[in-house]
Amino acid sequence: DAKTTQPTSMDCAEGRAANLPCNHSTISGNEYVYWYRQIHSQGPQYIIHGLKNNETNEMASLIITEDRKSSTLILPHATLRDTAVYYCIAFSSGSARQLTFGSGTQLTVLP
Amino acid sequence: AAGVIQSPRHLIKEKRETATLKCYPIPRHDTVYWYQQGPGQDPQFLISFYEKMQSDKGSIPDRFSAQQFSDYHSELNMSSLELGDSALYFCASSSTPYNEQFFGPGTRLTVL
Repeated sequence: DAKTTQPTSMDCAEGRAANLPCNHSTISGNEYVYWYRQIHSQGPQYIIHGLKNNETNEMASLIITEDRKSSTLILPHATLRDTAVYYCIAFSSGSARQLTFGSGTQLTVLP
Repeated sequence: AAGVIQSPRHLIKEKRETATLKCYPIPRHDTVYWYQQGPGQDPQFLISFYEKMQSDKGSIPDRFSAQQFSDYHSELNMSSLELGDSALYFCASSSTPYNEQFFGPGTRLTVL
């Protein structure tokens, strides 16, 4: 799976949009971009995934550039409960494939 | 909605003892994954099972073994425990091998 690069940490004001970038310049055509988050010592939580098109669900939006070399996770109205480590993972679907967690971005939502 | 269940939630063992962690996947999920997260580290994949067969293997020590049973629950058996095995152990499940993984709350193992 392609390596992803994320900033180590970011702050966001409560109620504002949080935009978390991810670079995956070596991503291959069959690799999806998955986002998970982990609130302190809890199990990682699936957020969203996409292949080429932008995606939106009740938690977030995922914007993938046309060349697929980078993406941005958007939390439209960040709350204090969104403070967590966010992981961007390039993942090619297959039989029970493992998720490879990189360093992730520590997002801190400030009151 | 039903979630992944892990037991026990906390476990304290002495060095060289054995431990068994259990994972009950979300109903109708047929794939189970095990991850280990050491203090201050990111989760690391250990092993996965699809339809009761081992599917993918990561950095799982030879002292560890796992299996998935006919009811799809899984057990991670750890022998000759070492201090370095102290970690959070997460189980995740998915409905097919291709879908997103849903994680349990984890088992915190402390080896003294």
